Amino acid sequence: NAGVTQTPKFRVLKTGQSMTLLCAQDMNHEYMYWYRQDPGMGLRLIHYSVGEGTTAKGEVPDGYNVSRLKKQNFLLGLESAAPSQTSVYFCASDGADSYEQYFGPGTRLTVT
Amino acid sequence: RKEVEQDPGPFNVPEGATVAFNCTYSNSASQSFFWYRQDCRKEPKLLMSVYSSGNEDGRFTAQLNRASQYISLLIRDSKLSDSATYLCVAFLEGNKLVFGAGTILRVKS
Repeated sequence: NAGVTQTPKFRVLKTGQSMTLLCAQDMNHEYMYWYRQDPGMGLRLIHYSVGEGTTAKGEVPDGYNVSRLKKQNFLLGLESAAPSQTSVYFCASDGADSYEQYFGPGTRLTVT
Repeated sequence: RKEVEQDPGPFNVPEGATVAFNCTYSNSASQSFFWYRQDCRKEPKLLMSVYSSGNEDGRFTAQLNRASQYISLLIRDSKLSDSATYLCVAFLEGNKLVFGAGTILRVKS
């Protein structure tokens, strides 16, 4: 039981490049989330999903897109990376009847 | 104003000390509250839930004061392994969590 996994763990992009971060969970959780964490800001919700095929905007959605084609996977896309998107990205999931969110190990992204 | 505010610290305490962290929240509709722990360069993990009646888990005690919109975490007999960042979290309708920026604790021998 791997829990929540994220790929890649690290990435360096140039401004304007695109990339996709993959999150996978094997706990059959309905809800999945993407957060970014910046110093002094805490975790901020980018997008989330309450089930396969559904997505919704969080607190800071601009510049990101997401897709949830399969229940176990939640993809975060950056279409045209900007230096302001340099951050640590965490994926999380939880069940519909639970308040506890389980986090992946994070992806450290640097945009130069 | 941030929805969940915490003193960032760092709190530097000796082993065996008792230390308390406070947190305030602005959304009175928040239904539930939690403390998460985050080790350096790791993901956050649930430490404990916070109930109105207060709850205790070993050396850790969490309390909620809804009238003052205030949450606290008390750690007794601090261990070196308690060194981490402690995140105060409010649960909102729609299964959304709002995180504070965290309080850094450093326990020293």
